[in-house]
Amino acid sequence: EIVMTQSPATLSVSPGERATLSCRASQSLGSNLAWYQQKPGQAPRLLIYGASTRATGIPARFSGSGSGTDFTLTISSLQSEDFALYSCQQYNNWPLTFGGGTKVEIK
Amino acid sequence: EVQLMESGGGLVQPGGSLRLSCAGSGFTVSNNYMTWVRQAPGKGLEWVSVIYSETSSYYADSVKGRFNISRDKSKNTLYLQMDSLRAEDTAVYYCARLRSAELVFDYWGQGTLVTVSP
Repeated sequence: EIVMTQSPATLSVSPGERATLSCRASQSLGSNLAWYQQKPGQAPRLLIYGASTRATGIPARFSGSGSGTDFTLTISSLQSEDFALYSCQQYNNWPLTFGGGTKVEIK
Repeated sequence: EVQLMESGGGLVQPGGSLRLSCAGSGFTVSNNYMTWVRQAPGKGLEWVSVIYSETSSYYADSVKGRFNISRDKSKNTLYLQMDSLRAEDTAVYYCARLRSAELVFDYWGQGTLVTVSP
């Protein structure tokens, strides 16, 4: 099973600032990585797949990068609606696995 | 518009059973890869099960032999039969559509809470 590790666990950021979230895989994924956003009491929402492709309707301030074992989600200028939990997911191998998440909170 | 709506969660004693349902609208459940994903309180997401066809389904090791995924074409509904429930199965259970090309979860239900406790 591929283990996904996200850091930091919590990120405190002021509105308008840039947020950089990391996700590391225990083995190479190529570009088979996705990112999800989840707000309290809500279902996750697909943000990014293929490491860098934005899903339909996702604003351009969200960008993904990386390949192999190290990946990054960047939110260029945090809006109030962006404070949430972010999780990465690998789909290079079964079982599909998720990271533990990074909570982005208001500083 | 694609929508998924889970039901059937609740409180059950250890060793008990529960069946979750997930009604789909705006698309055909039986023509898609459908999954269950759970999230224990304060924890990350965990894939539980996937169904590709009526003869192809797979499970996480943690639930293999205890859970069964199925779907009803006439009702456009996905199910998860959960037997021999344990405390560690306590979680919010989401049904989600799995995009077959990239194996990412593109549509999710709102989730249903399952609590396993004496």
